[in-house]
Amino acid sequence: GQNIDQPTEMTATEGAIVQINCTYQTSGFNGLFWYQQHAGEAPTFLSYNVLDGLEEKGRFSSFLSRSKGYSYLLLKELQMKDSASYLCAVRDSNYQLIWGAGTKLIIKP
Amino acid sequence: IAGITQAPTSQILAAGRRMTLRCTQDMRHNAMYWYRQDLGLGLRLIHYSNTAGTTGKGEVPDGYSVSRANTDDFPLTLASAVPSQTSVYFCASSEGQDTDTQYFGPGTRLTVL
Repeated sequence: GQNIDQPTEMTATEGAIVQINCTYQTSGFNGLFWYQQHAGEAPTFLSYNVLDGLEEKGRFSSFLSRSKGYSYLLLKELQMKDSASYLCAVRDSNYQLIWGAGTKLIIKP
Repeated sequence: IAGITQAPTSQILAAGRRMTLRCTQDMRHNAMYWYRQDLGLGLRLIHYSNTAGTTGKGEVPDGYSVSRANTDDFPLTLASAVPSQTSVYFCASSEGQDTDTQYFGPGTRLTVL
């Protein structure tokens, strides 16, 4: 079967750095996405990785290792508005997105 | 309209009733999708459409049907609602199927009693 694993919940302090991990086992791989979802709202796109390595976009970076079936999302200089769920999704061999259950990130002052 | 809209925002429905969730996008995207999101589970694909006039089944299609008569609209119908269909439903679209980012509507919260 296909599986995406993420921690259920993480807590971090305002101004700090947090890394959210995602491991996957899917039938084929055609890219990995990270989305942010605030409570009661729609998911919004953060990043896309298809090749190994680090993609940096402002305070957010995403890393991919295809050989290890592993990605992480790194959030720097945390702000209270970063409190949200972070969803990892992998596009499989049929070009369908397989979604993890999401990681709820709680930011404390 | 800017992006994707969904209607209604929320709905309480008696079991056995028929219900259509509406989704409209103004980005001229070719592909559209319906997902359900349940607590503790990832988004699950119900149905999708790669282009107007075509539809396909996702991971959890039973009890749902869709149509894609034009580029902009992608309604989702529950023919006879059951309590297990209580969920938050998201419509999404992307420019194409293969490599494009999916953009989501605001969601419909459906409760079936």
